[in-house]
Amino acid sequence: GDSVTQMEGPVTLSEEAFLTINCTYTATGYPSLFWYVQYPGEGLQLLLKATKADDKGSNKGFEATYRKETTSFHLEKGSVQVSDSAVYFCALSEGGSYIPTFGRGTSLIVHP
Amino acid sequence: NAGVTQTPKFRVLKTGQSMTLLCAQDMNHEYMYWYRQDPGMGLRLIHYSVGEGTTAKGEVPDGYNVSRLKKQNFLLGLESAAPSQTSVYFCASRALYQETQYFGPGTRLLVL
Repeated sequence: GDSVTQMEGPVTLSEEAFLTINCTYTATGYPSLFWYVQYPGEGLQLLLKATKADDKGSNKGFEATYRKETTSFHLEKGSVQVSDSAVYFCALSEGGSYIPTFGRGTSLIVHP
Repeated sequence: NAGVTQTPKFRVLKTGQSMTLLCAQDMNHEYMYWYRQDPGMGLRLIHYSVGEGTTAKGEVPDGYNVSRLKKQNFLLGLESAAPSQTSVYFCASRALYQETQYFGPGTRLLVL
């Protein structure tokens, strides 16, 4: 079945550092890929998505590129802020399936 | 447009008590989901619904029941609460032919 593997956290960075959160996936077809973000005390919200190979999703300075050859969708940001402290979830959704597959989440802590 | 709302925000139960969590969405979405989130476990799907009057089991359905009598509402019931059901519960909805899920703010449940 489908699966999503994320790097374990927490990831701890200083403000303005470069961020990478790794995500790899296993899928039978051609899924859409997502990054969701969960700020403290809130529900998940969509951060960015990509629907086909080589697509780049971007939002709020975050980027991720759909790499079919390496089955990856790594999240990057050039300069993190304290306000980026949150839990980040990688997810995939296959066409025709009602149920998305989520990774376990990676906690990001950014210090001033 | 409130999106996805959940009631209550926080609840304390004693073992053996029952309760119902309410999820409501005003986006006319077809699909609705109940997840639980526990430390280190990520999101786990409890039950889901692909339309009014239909429900299906997810990954961890035991001890829970659901109903979708109206398209906009998805109820999660605990008939006899157990300490293992202490968790944060999230509801989500999704439109037909769209893959992005929209999450509610969560219900924190403590079972003593």
